[in-house]
Amino acid sequence: AQKITQTQPGMFVQEKEAVTLDCTYDTSDQSYGLFWYKQPSSGEMIFLIYQGSYDEQNATEGRYSLNFQKARKSANLVISASQLGDSAMYFCAMREDGTGGAQKLVFGQGTRLTINP
Amino acid sequence: AAGVIQSPRHLIKEKRETATLKCYPIPRHDTVYWYQQGPGQDPQFLISFYEKMQSDKGSIPDRFSAQQFSDYHSELNMSSLELGDSALYFCASSSGPGEQETQYFGPGTRLLVL
Repeated sequence: AQKITQTQPGMFVQEKEAVTLDCTYDTSDQSYGLFWYKQPSSGEMIFLIYQGSYDEQNATEGRYSLNFQKARKSANLVISASQLGDSAMYFCAMREDGTGGAQKLVFGQGTRLTINP
Repeated sequence: AAGVIQSPRHLIKEKRETATLKCYPIPRHDTVYWYQQGPGQDPQFLISFYEKMQSDKGSIPDRFSAQQFSDYHSELNMSSLELGDSALYFCASSSGPGEQETQYFGPGTRLLVL
């Protein structure tokens, strides 16, 4: 079974600073996908960024980038120029192949990020 | 852009009652996933459907059942509700299995069992 580990239960960062949220994964699959989702206090789950195991370039989406180190099995999320609205819970997730075609997500425990003014 | 729609957004039930949660996927998405997120926990996969067929089952209690209809919307039926069923229930949809598949989540249904 695949496993996702997020070792930082909480992080506090000053506004406008960059922040790195850690994520390590464990899988024996050759093909897999890694995702980051943001969950504000309102509860919705917002997709941020995706990295495929065969992608040679690190994924970027605006202020979000994914530092993908395949040999180390890590997929850290980097948020540049943090904003107050970035305060939320962040989940790292891995796509796991299901038995009938659909590919469920396995989540890490999450990191609660707080941006201080 | 259209998003995943879930209804109701909030639901309060008594123990042993039944509940039905509905999910309307993003247009042209044929794959639906259900997840349960307990307080302070990460989302746990319950069940998925691909092209109106059940695709995979996770830690879904036997008291729960789900289906996907011809218009691709899905319903999660929960019977004999227990206090421990209180959670945030997410539906997610995608355009189908594949290398680039991304699941987009609905706003969730917050269920409280008293």
